[in-house]
Amino acid sequence: GNSVTQMEGPVTLSEEAFLTINCTYTATGYPSLFWYVQYPGEGLQLLLKATKADDKGSNKGFEATYRKETTSFHLEKGSVQVSDSAVYFCALDNNNDMRFGAGTRLTVKP
Amino acid sequence: DAGVIQSPRHEVTEMGQEVTLRCKPISGHDYLFWYRQTMMRGLELLIYFNNNVPIDDSGMPEDRFSAKMPNASFSTLKIQPSEPRDSAVYFCASSLKTGPFNQPQHFGDGTRLSIL
Repeated sequence: GNSVTQMEGPVTLSEEAFLTINCTYTATGYPSLFWYVQYPGEGLQLLLKATKADDKGSNKGFEATYRKETTSFHLEKGSVQVSDSAVYFCALDNNNDMRFGAGTRLTVKP
Repeated sequence: DAGVIQSPRHEVTEMGQEVTLRCKPISGHDYLFWYRQTMMRGLELLIYFNNNVPIDDSGMPEDRFSAKMPNASFSTLKIQPSEPRDSAVYFCASSLKTGPFNQPQHFGDGTRLSIL
Protein backbone atom coordinates (compact mmCIF):
# COMPACT_ATOMS: atom_id res chain seq x y z
CA GLY A 1 0.00 0.00 0.00
CA ASN A 2 0.88 3.68 -0.02
CA SER A 3 2.51 5.21 3.03
CA VAL A 4 4.78 8.03 4.15
CA THR A 5 7.32 7.96 6.95
CA GLN A 6 8.92 11.14 8.12
CA MET A 7 11.46 12.12 10.70
CA GLU A 8 10.07 12.32 14.19
CA GLY A 9 10.29 15.60 15.95
CA PRO A 10 10.42 17.89 17.56
CA VAL A 11 13.32 19.61 15.89
CA THR A 12 14.82 22.69 17.52
CA LEU A 13 17.33 24.84 15.64
CA SER A 14 18.95 28.21 16.03
CA GLU A 15 18.24 30.91 13.49
CA GLU A 16 20.32 30.57 10.30
CA ALA A 17 20.98 26.87 10.90
CA PHE A 18 20.61 24.28 8.14
CA LEU A 19 17.42 22.24 8.15
CA THR A 20 16.80 18.71 6.94
CA ILE A 21 13.58 16.80 7.57
CA ASN A 22 13.70 13.29 6.20
CA CYS A 23 10.78 11.71 4.36
CA THR A 24 10.55 8.32 2.70
CA TYR A 25 7.60 6.77 0.99
CA THR A 26 6.17 3.46 -0.15
CA ALA A 27 3.98 3.41 -3.22
CA THR A 28 3.23 1.52 -6.38
CA GLY A 29 3.48 3.40 -9.60
CA TYR A 30 4.35 7.09 -9.73
CA PRO A 31 2.89 9.18 -6.95
CA SER A 32 3.13 12.92 -6.64
CA LEU A 33 4.95 14.12 -3.54
CA PHE A 34 4.24 17.17 -1.41
CA TRP A 35 5.43 19.07 1.61
CA TYR A 36 2.78 20.94 3.56
CA VAL A 37 3.31 23.37 6.43
CA GLN A 38 0.93 24.06 9.29
CA TYR A 39 1.23 27.21 11.39
CA PRO A 40 -0.46 27.37 14.80
CA GLY A 41 -4.23 27.61 14.57
CA GLU A 42 -4.29 27.20 10.81
CA GLY A 43 -4.85 24.51 8.23
CA LEU A 44 -2.14 22.92 6.15
CA GLN A 45 -0.67 24.95 3.32
CA LEU A 46 1.17 23.58 0.36
CA LEU A 47 4.86 24.38 0.62
CA LEU A 48 6.18 22.61 -2.46
CA LYS A 49 5.54 19.63 -4.69
CA ALA A 50 7.17 17.31 -7.22
CA THR A 51 5.29 15.15 -9.69
CA LYS A 52 7.98 12.91 -11.17
CA ALA A 53 11.37 11.42 -10.44
CA ASP A 54 14.28 13.89 -10.18
CA ASP A 55 11.92 16.88 -9.99
CA LYS A 56 12.95 19.47 -7.46
CA GLY A 57 10.23 21.41 -5.70
CA SER A 58 11.19 24.73 -4.15
CA ASN A 59 9.50 27.60 -2.36
CA LYS A 60 10.48 30.24 0.21
CA GLY A 61 14.03 28.86 0.39
CA PHE A 62 12.85 25.30 1.01
CA GLU A 63 13.75 22.52 -1.43
CA ALA A 64 13.02 18.82 -1.86
CA THR A 65 14.04 16.45 -4.65
CA TYR A 66 11.96 13.44 -5.71
CA ARG A 67 14.39 10.51 -5.49
CA LYS A 68 12.80 7.38 -6.87
CA GLU A 69 15.88 5.25 -6.33
CA THR A 70 15.83 5.90 -2.59
CA THR A 71 12.06 6.56 -2.40
CA SER A 72 12.78 9.79 -0.56
CA PHE A 73 11.67 13.42 -0.60
CA HIS A 74 13.74 15.12 2.09
CA LEU A 75 13.00 18.75 2.92
CA GLU A 76 15.94 21.16 3.21
CA LYS A 77 16.55 24.81 3.88
CA GLY A 78 19.93 26.44 4.07
CA SER A 79 19.16 29.07 6.69
CA VAL A 80 16.04 28.86 8.83
CA GLN A 81 14.25 31.81 10.39
CA VAL A 82 12.13 32.12 13.50
CA SER A 83 9.11 32.49 11.21
CA ASP A 84 9.72 28.97 9.87
CA SER A 85 8.58 27.51 13.18
CA ALA A 86 5.66 25.25 12.30
CA VAL A 87 4.71 21.62 11.74
CA TYR A 88 5.81 20.12 8.42
CA PHE A 89 4.00 17.25 6.73
CA CYS A 90 5.30 15.07 3.93
CA ALA A 91 2.54 13.63 1.74
CA LEU A 92 1.95 11.58 -1.36
CA ASP A 93 -0.97 11.33 -3.75
CA ASN A 94 -1.18 8.12 -5.74
CA ASN A 95 -4.29 7.96 -7.87
CA ASN A 96 -6.40 9.81 -5.32
CA ASP A 97 -5.01 7.84 -2.40
CA MET A 98 -3.64 10.71 -0.30
CA ARG A 99 -1.32 9.85 2.58
CA PHE A 100 0.28 12.19 5.07
CA GLY A 101 3.24 11.62 7.33
CA ALA A 102 2.87 12.15 11.07
CA GLY A 103 4.28 15.67 10.90
CA THR A 104 7.52 17.14 12.27
CA ARG A 105 7.38 20.11 14.59
CA LEU A 106 10.15 22.63 13.96
CA THR A 107 11.04 25.34 16.44
CA VAL A 108 13.58 27.96 15.45
CA LYS A 109 15.10 30.03 18.26
CA PRO A 110 16.56 33.49 17.77
CA ASP B 1 -9.32 34.65 -3.77
CA ALA B 2 -11.44 33.04 -1.10
CA GLY B 3 -9.96 29.85 0.22
CA VAL B 4 -11.75 26.91 1.77
CA ILE B 5 -14.12 28.24 4.40
CA GLN B 6 -15.07 26.20 7.43
CA SER B 7 -17.54 26.96 10.17
CA PRO B 8 -17.66 27.14 13.05
CA ARG B 9 -14.01 27.72 14.00
CA HIS B 10 -14.63 26.41 17.49
CA GLU B 11 -17.38 24.21 18.88
CA VAL B 12 -17.86 23.13 22.46
CA THR B 13 -20.75 20.87 23.28
CA GLU B 14 -21.82 18.15 25.66
CA MET B 15 -21.60 14.50 24.82
CA GLY B 16 -24.69 13.07 23.20
CA GLN B 17 -25.42 16.24 21.26
CA GLU B 18 -25.46 16.42 17.48
CA VAL B 19 -22.59 18.33 15.92
CA THR B 20 -22.58 19.69 12.36
CA LEU B 21 -19.42 21.01 10.74
CA ARG B 22 -19.65 22.98 7.52
CA CYS B 23 -17.35 23.53 4.59
CA LYS B 24 -17.38 25.68 1.49
CA PRO B 25 -14.73 24.52 -1.00
CA ILE B 26 -12.91 26.71 -3.46
CA SER B 27 -15.12 27.41 -6.43
CA GLY B 28 -14.34 25.13 -9.36
CA HIS B 29 -12.64 22.43 -7.32
CA ASP B 30 -13.80 18.91 -8.10
CA TYR B 31 -12.66 17.15 -4.95
CA LEU B 32 -13.54 17.74 -1.32
CA PHE B 33 -11.87 16.00 1.62
CA TRP B 34 -12.65 15.80 5.33
CA TYR B 35 -9.79 15.14 7.77
CA ARG B 36 -9.47 14.77 11.51
CA GLN B 37 -6.33 15.78 13.38
CA THR B 38 -5.41 14.67 16.90
CA MET B 39 -2.16 14.48 18.80
CA MET B 40 -2.44 10.72 19.13
CA ARG B 41 -3.38 9.78 15.57
CA GLY B 42 -2.12 12.70 13.52
CA LEU B 43 -3.98 13.64 10.35
CA GLU B 44 -6.57 11.09 9.22
CA LEU B 45 -8.59 11.17 6.02
CA LEU B 46 -12.24 10.52 6.87
CA ILE B 47 -13.98 10.76 3.51
CA TYR B 48 -13.65 12.43 0.14
CA PHE B 49 -16.05 13.47 -2.60
CA ASN B 50 -15.61 13.86 -6.34
CA ASN B 51 -18.18 16.03 -8.08
CA ASN B 52 -20.39 15.85 -4.97
CA VAL B 53 -20.36 12.04 -4.90
CA PRO B 54 -18.74 10.23 -1.94
CA ILE B 55 -15.89 8.12 -3.30
CA ASP B 56 -14.15 6.66 -0.26
CA ASP B 57 -15.57 6.77 3.25
CA SER B 58 -13.39 4.01 4.66
CA GLY B 59 -11.82 6.46 7.09
CA MET B 60 -15.10 7.36 8.77
CA PRO B 61 -14.66 5.97 12.29
CA GLU B 62 -18.17 4.66 12.85
CA ASP B 63 -21.82 5.08 12.04
CA ARG B 64 -22.10 8.10 14.28
CA PHE B 65 -20.25 10.02 11.57
CA SER B 66 -21.89 11.04 8.31
CA ALA B 67 -20.97 13.44 5.54
CA LYS B 68 -22.96 14.98 2.74
CA MET B 69 -22.29 17.21 -0.22
CA PRO B 70 -25.62 18.42 -1.56
CA ASN B 71 -24.00 20.72 -4.12
CA ALA B 72 -20.61 21.79 -5.41
CA SER B 73 -20.26 24.64 -2.93
CA PHE B 74 -21.22 23.04 0.36
CA SER B 75 -20.49 20.00 2.49
CA THR B 76 -21.31 18.94 6.03
CA LEU B 77 -19.79 16.49 8.46
CA LYS B 78 -22.20 15.40 11.16
CA ILE B 79 -21.58 13.51 14.39
CA GLN B 80 -24.60 12.11 16.17
CA PRO B 81 -24.40 11.38 19.02
CA SER B 82 -21.07 13.01 19.87
CA GLU B 83 -18.60 11.51 22.36
CA PRO B 84 -15.58 13.01 24.17
CA ARG B 85 -13.21 10.94 22.03
CA ASP B 86 -14.46 12.83 18.98
CA SER B 87 -12.67 15.94 20.25
CA ALA B 88 -10.20 16.98 17.56
CA VAL B 89 -9.57 19.54 14.87
CA TYR B 90 -11.53 18.75 11.73
CA PHE B 91 -10.23 20.04 8.43
CA CYS B 92 -11.90 20.36 5.08
CA ALA B 93 -9.80 20.55 1.92
CA SER B 94 -10.52 20.85 -1.77
CA SER B 95 -8.58 20.33 -4.96
CA LEU B 96 -8.86 20.37 -8.71
CA LYS B 97 -9.15 17.13 -10.60
CA THR B 98 -6.27 14.86 -9.74
CA GLY B 99 -4.61 12.49 -12.15
CA PRO B 100 -1.19 12.11 -13.67
CA PHE B 101 -0.29 15.58 -12.44
CA ASN B 102 -1.87 15.42 -9.06
CA GLN B 103 -3.02 18.71 -7.72
CA PRO B 104 -2.36 19.92 -4.20
CA GLN B 105 -5.13 20.21 -1.68
CA HIS B 106 -6.18 23.54 -0.23
CA PHE B 107 -7.10 23.36 3.43
CA GLY B 108 -9.49 25.40 5.51
CA ASP B 109 -8.46 26.70 8.91
CA GLY B 110 -10.28 23.85 10.64
CA THR B 111 -12.95 23.47 13.28
CA ARG B 112 -11.70 22.78 16.79
CA LEU B 113 -14.27 20.51 18.36
CA SER B 114 -14.44 19.83 22.09
CA ILE B 115 -16.94 17.33 23.44
CA LEU B 116 -17.39 17.57 27.19
